[in-house]
Amino acid sequence: ETGVTQTPRHLVMGMTNKKSLKCEQHLGHNAMYWYKQSAKKPLELMFVYNFKEQTENNSVPSRFSPECPNSSHLFLHLHTLQPEDSALYLCASSQDRGDTQYFGPGTRLTVL
Amino acid sequence: DAKTTQPPSMDCAEGRAANLPCNHSTISGNEYVYWYRQIHSQGPQYIIHGLKNNETNEMASLIITEDRKSSTLILPHATLRDTAVYYCIVRVVDSWGKLQFGAGTQVVVTP
Repeated sequence: ETGVTQTPRHLVMGMTNKKSLKCEQHLGHNAMYWYKQSAKKPLELMFVYNFKEQTENNSVPSRFSPECPNSSHLFLHLHTLQPEDSALYLCASSQDRGDTQYFGPGTRLTVL
Repeated sequence: DAKTTQPPSMDCAEGRAANLPCNHSTISGNEYVYWYRQIHSQGPQYIIHGLKNNETNEMASLIITEDRKSSTLILPHATLRDTAVYYCIVRVVDSWGKLQFGAGTQVVVTP
């Protein structure tokens, strides 16, 4: 238990669906991250938020839309995804941007 | 950030110490060595990090060579639950320091 929770843990969606992934951290951290881990590939950083402001977007397609309403919550809104977007989506948080990151358990997403 | 080189896999007997090597020959003076592990289909778990001194916590020990070009993560008494992919990452700890995950070392602990 790292203090970072993610829901749902598993999600199956069609290409025309709209869904959202949720991340919540109970550590009092100021920075939050979204990572993507495709099968047999290293983790890829998608977005970084620091004090609710997006500070990094690693050329992520617009069908992925992050939202950070406060320092404890992070969402990833999904719409019109492709089958190749199927992956493990991981959320992490750190005290500040350069500090040790703690990961949640991930959401296993399957796009049909 | 400097790159790291790790063996793709290694086996370890339960109850024995597991010594995981990592090479980071291009490491800079302001880069830390971080270790994470990932049990199958779960989120990465932070283990330990260090700059130049050896570090120990309740999970593991980190031994960094004097020239800082390599390091070893030591799990003192491996259990079956230590079976995971272990990632050695070098990063600058400042506001722009990223975590760059490589392929890691698949460690299998056998009874």
